[in-house]
Amino acid sequence: AIQMTQSPSSLSASVGDRVTITCRASQGIRNDLGWYQQKPGKAPKLLVYAASTLESGVPSRFSGSGSGTEFTLTISSLQPEDFATYYCLQDYGYPRTFGQGTKVE
Amino acid sequence: EVQLVESGGTLVQPGGSLRLSCAASGFTFNIYWMTWVRQAPGKGLEWVANIHQESRKRFYLDSVEGRFTISRDNAKNSLFLQMNNLRAEDTAVYYCVRDREYHDVSTESWYDVFDFWGQGTLVTVSS
Repeated sequence: AIQMTQSPSSLSASVGDRVTITCRASQGIRNDLGWYQQKPGKAPKLLVYAASTLESGVPSRFSGSGSGTEFTLTISSLQPEDFATYYCLQDYGYPRTFGQGTKVE
Repeated sequence: EVQLVESGGTLVQPGGSLRLSCAASGFTFNIYWMTWVRQAPGKGLEWVANIHQESRKRFYLDSVEGRFTISRDNAKNSLFLQMNNLRAEDTAVYYCVRDREYHDVSTESWYDVFDFWGQGTLVTVSS
């Protein structure tokens, strides 16, 4: 199975900060990667798919980039509602695999 | 409005069986791949299985293959997960997820787009 490694596991940030989360794949996965946001007690929410395509309705402060084995999710100016846990998910091969998550607090 | 409502989660003994259901509404169910994702208490997300629109293909997480079966009834807009020989490590909230899929015609690539999630149903495997 393809392993997805996110870093950092957690980070401390303030409103207005630029935040970058990295996801590394154990093998090349082209741009077959999505990013999801999850708040406590809630289902995850889609942010980005195909590595860099922003889902409709998601604020433009979120952006995704990368291909091959290294990917990033960037929040250009952190807002109060962005404190959450973020997961990457590869959809290049089966089984699909998530990163372990990055908690933004 | 798209809705996915899971049911069937409960406390079950190790080695037992359980069938989860997901009732879909607000969209044309039979044109979407559907997926189950789980989350153990305090842990991260784990993809479990998915199924083609017409049930032609199904894929599973290695640790559930042979024990879990994903199925669907398009006439009833329902998705199922039959779970047998349950283990303590199967304890989790199970989410029913719609996969909208995205086709990039320029590269002929297909991408998973998990755009709607249910609220989840809790399965606890314990004696």
